[in-house]
Amino acid sequence: NAGVTQTPKFQVLKTGQSMTLQCAQDMNHEYMSWYRQDPGMGLRLIHYSVGAGITDQGEVPNGYNVSRSTTEDFPLRLLSAAPSQTSVYFCASSYRADTEAFFGQGTRLTVV
Amino acid sequence: GENVEQHPSTLSVQEGDSAVIKCTYSDSASNYFPWYKQELGKRPQLIIDIRSNVGEKKDQRIAVTLNKTAKHFSLHITETQPEDSAVYFCAASSDDYKLSFGAGTTVTVRA
Repeated sequence: NAGVTQTPKFQVLKTGQSMTLQCAQDMNHEYMSWYRQDPGMGLRLIHYSVGAGITDQGEVPNGYNVSRSTTEDFPLRLLSAAPSQTSVYFCASSYRADTEAFFGQGTRLTVV
Repeated sequence: GENVEQHPSTLSVQEGDSAVIKCTYSDSASNYFPWYKQELGKRPQLIIDIRSNVGEKKDQRIAVTLNKTAKHFSLHITETQPEDSAVYFCAASSDDYKLSFGAGTTVTVRA
């Protein structure tokens, strides 16, 4: 039982490049979400999904896309990276939004 | 949407003393209030949570209290130890499936 697996752990992008952050969970959780963590701002919700085929925007969705084709996977796509997207990204999954969230190890992304 | 405010942003305590972190929320429909601990370079992990039908919950040295009328909840850590040094986040969730986090409190336990 691996829990929530997030890759890569570190990434450096040039402005304008695109990339996909991968997230997979093996706990059969319906609810998955992506957060970004910036100093002094806590964890801000980017996008979330309540089940396969269903996604919705969180607090800071601009510049990011998501899809949920399976229960296990919830990738986050950066369409055209900007320096403002330099951050630590966490994927999380839970049975519901009002139950314990399990986080991935995080991705430290730097956009230059 | 939900807005969660957390205070203080930093907290330094002497080992063995107590630490208290306070959070307020805006959405009266919020009904789930977890607390997460994040050690340096690690992922956040749940340490305790409380639901709106409960006023207080304890787990060893950690306790959480909830005041629904005032829309605030607090984390209490007693007999602090060096391993309690970390960043602590409060959060709130309602039926809209969104979990909103506070900005975090960096707790330092001085030996």
